[in-house]
Amino acid sequence: SQTIHQWPATLVQPVGSPLSLECTVEGTSNPNLYWYRQAAGRGLQLLFYSVGIGQISSEVPQNLSASRPQDRQFILSSKKLLLSDSGFYLCAWSGPRLWGDTEAFFGQGTRLTVV
Amino acid sequence: KQEVTQIPAALSVPEGENLVLNCSFTDSAIYNLQWFRQDPGKGLTSLLLIQSSQREQTSGRLNASLDKSSGRSTLYIAASQPGDSATYLCAVGNYGQNFVFGPGTRLSVLP
Repeated sequence: SQTIHQWPATLVQPVGSPLSLECTVEGTSNPNLYWYRQAAGRGLQLLFYSVGIGQISSEVPQNLSASRPQDRQFILSSKKLLLSDSGFYLCAWSGPRLWGDTEAFFGQGTRLTVV
Repeated sequence: KQEVTQIPAALSVPEGENLVLNCSFTDSAIYNLQWFRQDPGKGLTSLLLIQSSQREQTSGRLNASLDKSSGRSTLYIAASQPGDSATYLCAVGNYGQNFVFGPGTRLSVLP
């Protein structure tokens, strides 16, 4: 069966420090991968999605970047964190078609607090 | 642009009640619709996926219906339990696009 791993679960970082969140998927090949952010009391905002290695699409301009160095690995990064980067970050995967066509599965999330 | 709304924003019911959560979307040309559950501080758990050609899906005490023409989906929870307390989100998939999420309904089932 397929599983998705996301870490760390919680993270407290000072303003201006770098960020690296990692997500890996097991039990499937060529998945579509996604990074979402959920701010307190607000809905889910799609940040990045990837349909293949090295292929990254950004949905909103921001202080963050994403990379996909391997088929089932998706990394969310920042060179210098801002206070506004605080939030709950969720990784997700779906079958190898655009997400609207297949079921989506989420990781357990990373709570990021920038202080 | 697809927009998804959910009513009510929050709901509190006594244990044992049957309840209905609503999801509305503006563009009826959808491919599918997915219901999720989110516990506080946790990720999303997929509950039900309804393809555009289907009218409903059932899993245990959960039943989700889809009416594309009216742009609505409902999630019916039978015989609610305190363990059902969570936020429920619907997400709509349009052809060739990524899912659009609703803001969620926060459900509290009181023992």
